[in-house]
Amino acid sequence: DAGITQSPRHKVTETGTPVTLRCHQTENHRYMYWYRQDPGHGLRLIHYSYGVKDTDKGEVSDGYSVSRSKTEDFLLTLESATSSQTSVYFCAISESKGARTDTQYFGPGTRLTVL
Amino acid sequence: GQQVMQIPQYQHVQEGEDFTTYCNSSTTLSNIQWYKQRPGGHPVFLIQLVKSGEVKKQKRLTFQFGEAKKNSSLHITATQTTDVGTYFCAGQGGSYIPTFGRGTSLIVHP
Repeated sequence: DAGITQSPRHKVTETGTPVTLRCHQTENHRYMYWYRQDPGHGLRLIHYSYGVKDTDKGEVSDGYSVSRSKTEDFLLTLESATSSQTSVYFCAISESKGARTDTQYFGPGTRLTVL
Repeated sequence: GQQVMQIPQYQHVQEGEDFTTYCNSSTTLSNIQWYKQRPGGHPVFLIQLVKSGEVKKQKRLTFQFGEAKKNSSLHITATQTTDVGTYFCAGQGGSYIPTFGRGTSLIVHP
């Protein structure tokens, strides 16, 4: 498996509290992604990064922000968690390959429950 | 934006039966990737198809990319309990970032 870790692996929090999830890679890949996975919806892209301090929105970015101050770390922040953000969050990394991105390698996931 | 539809959402089979999942894109793709996620696990890359009409095999798994590069399929021959999981396709078109289908969950009954 690629060198990707996510922390925490499990978290229970209350509505209205801020939450930050961390993704750390040791592969020096350019691209990093945050997805959420919910039953019946597959993997939905929240935000992605194509370099240090370079980020862009995915299809479900409302209520989430991200930061990437170092190549190896990509943080996902829920400024004020809501119950609808209860989900499993996956981080992924990939390298660029010409005019496209290459294979994605996924982290182990973080299970977040918002009460 | 680009949409990738995957069917069926679920498939129950008896062990030994064949299984197929289909992926269709609203736009022409430059490539398509397939991933497998075991229950409780994370998605793991299986294969990438790039050429029109391409067919690749991995043991009992056969992957096809359509001639028009807008559809793809994954076929598993003689399923085993180890094949249980959710299979995702991810298509890359004009965007730098691939779009994932919703996945097909395969349930194999012994």
